[in-house]
Amino acid sequence: GAGVSQSPSNKVTEKGKDVELRCDPISGHTALYWYRQRLGQGLEFLIYFQGNSAPDKSGLPSDRFSAERTGESVSTLTIQRTQQEDSAVYLCASSLDRGSYSNQPQHFGDGTRLSIL
Amino acid sequence: QKEVEQDPGPLSVPEGAIVSLNCTYSNSAFQYFMWYRQYSRKGPELLMYTYSSGNKEDGRFTAQVDKSSKYISLFIRDSQPSDSATYLCAMIYNQGGKLIFGQGTELSVKP
Repeated sequence: GAGVSQSPSNKVTEKGKDVELRCDPISGHTALYWYRQRLGQGLEFLIYFQGNSAPDKSGLPSDRFSAERTGESVSTLTIQRTQQEDSAVYLCASSLDRGSYSNQPQHFGDGTRLSIL
Repeated sequence: QKEVEQDPGPLSVPEGAIVSLNCTYSNSAFQYFMWYRQYSRKGPELLMYTYSSGNKEDGRFTAQVDKSSKYISLFIRDSQPSDSATYLCAMIYNQGGKLIFGQGTELSVKP
């Protein structure tokens, strides 16, 4: 079946503009995650959704960052008033529901490469 | 100090060599351990997923976990040029949501 799909694949915008990044998870995956990968770095966690609620937002770097998920499917990550330090690859992952005693692996999309001029 | 430490490399080996990639971690609460492979301009691809200490083998890949030493390894046998990529270790707390990643090791396998 289809994997995690992200759009756009590339985004170039001017400093101060708002951007929206989209993630379509694997069908049936109720858990959805956003990560950020700066050049030459590992992935940094941003936010986690279980269904449409976000029990862990601890990785969002500032109040300019927000995310939502609707219909237990598509998620949108929004960055307002973009800054140059926001330039990175934004990756989305999804996994099957997390039971109390299980942990399911996360599967990633190819990311959105965001460049702030 | 980072929770997960991984040598960024780059690591260059000849085709056919055995490759050893390693990560150390500081928090004994980590329970699940993963290795991802990431090709240039692609998302991470899950290679190995382990829970307990010991070895897990899948084809040319072997993942090793030593919880007492807080040390995990990935071995690649008979390395191929197609193995050239960045390898990321990742781990997760029991029942936690977020993955904690190492910095990634860039591997190049020369023909």
